[in-house]
Amino acid sequence: GAGVSQSPRYKVAKRGQDVALRCDPISGHVSLFWYQQALGQGPEFLTYFQNEAQLDKSGLPSDRFFAERPEGSVSTLKIQRTQQEDSAVYLCASSLDLNSPLHFGNGTRLTVT
Amino acid sequence: AQSVTQPDIHITVSEGASLELRCNYSYGATPYLFWYVQSPGQGLQLLLKYFSGDTLVQGIKGFEAEFKRSQSSFNLRKPSVHWSDAAEYFCAVGATSGTYKYIFGTGTRLKVLA
Repeated sequence: GAGVSQSPRYKVAKRGQDVALRCDPISGHVSLFWYQQALGQGPEFLTYFQNEAQLDKSGLPSDRFFAERPEGSVSTLKIQRTQQEDSAVYLCASSLDLNSPLHFGNGTRLTVT
Repeated sequence: AQSVTQPDIHITVSEGASLELRCNYSYGATPYLFWYVQSPGQGLQLLLKYFSGDTLVQGIKGFEAEFKRSQSSFNLRKPSVHWSDAAEYFCAVGATSGTYKYIFGTGTRLKVLA
C-alpha cells in the first residue's frame, strides 16, 4: 500500500514568511510523529499525535511552531515567521500503534533565506 | 539521560567486504532498538528492530544486529557489502512501554568502493 506522503518536497521561504507542511500518514495508523532533521544530524522529535489528540509537543522549538491533525489522519506542521535556523528537513512518520516501528515519509526540505 | 551514540561519522568499505556499524545507547529501562537507513533525499527505512527475545536480530537487505545489554550496544553488521548499501545509517532507541520519543543517533555515512 501507499507509504507516508509529505508535501511539498522542497520549500523555500523568505525569513518572516509562514509555511505549512503536509503529511499524509499510512491509512489506519493511529500514531503520527513529526521530526526535524538538521543537516548532518539525526532526526529530533518535535511532536506526537494519537489520532487527533496531540499528546506531546515538547519538542517544538518555539511557539512559532504549531501542528494539527484535526480528523486523525492528515497532519499539518505550521511554522510562523520563519527564521534561518528553521532550515532543516521535516520528517513525518506514522505507526500502527506505539509498539510498532515508525514508517517515515521522504520529508520536506525547508530552506529559509 | 537517554542518548544514542554512533561513534563513526563516516565509514568506507570495499564492495564485498564485511561491515560493522557501532551503536551505543544510554537508557534507564529495557529499550526498543532500531536501525534505519536513509538514502539521499529519502526518508528513513527500517532495517531491523529489537524488542525482546533473541539478541541477534535479522533484518532486510542481509543486515543483522546484536543486542548486548552488558555493553549497551546494538551494532549493525553485514557479511558482504554491496555498492547499493551506500547510505546513512541511524540507530534509534525507544522505551518498551508506550513512549514515542525515539531518540536517534547522529548517523554513520557509509561509502562503498567498487
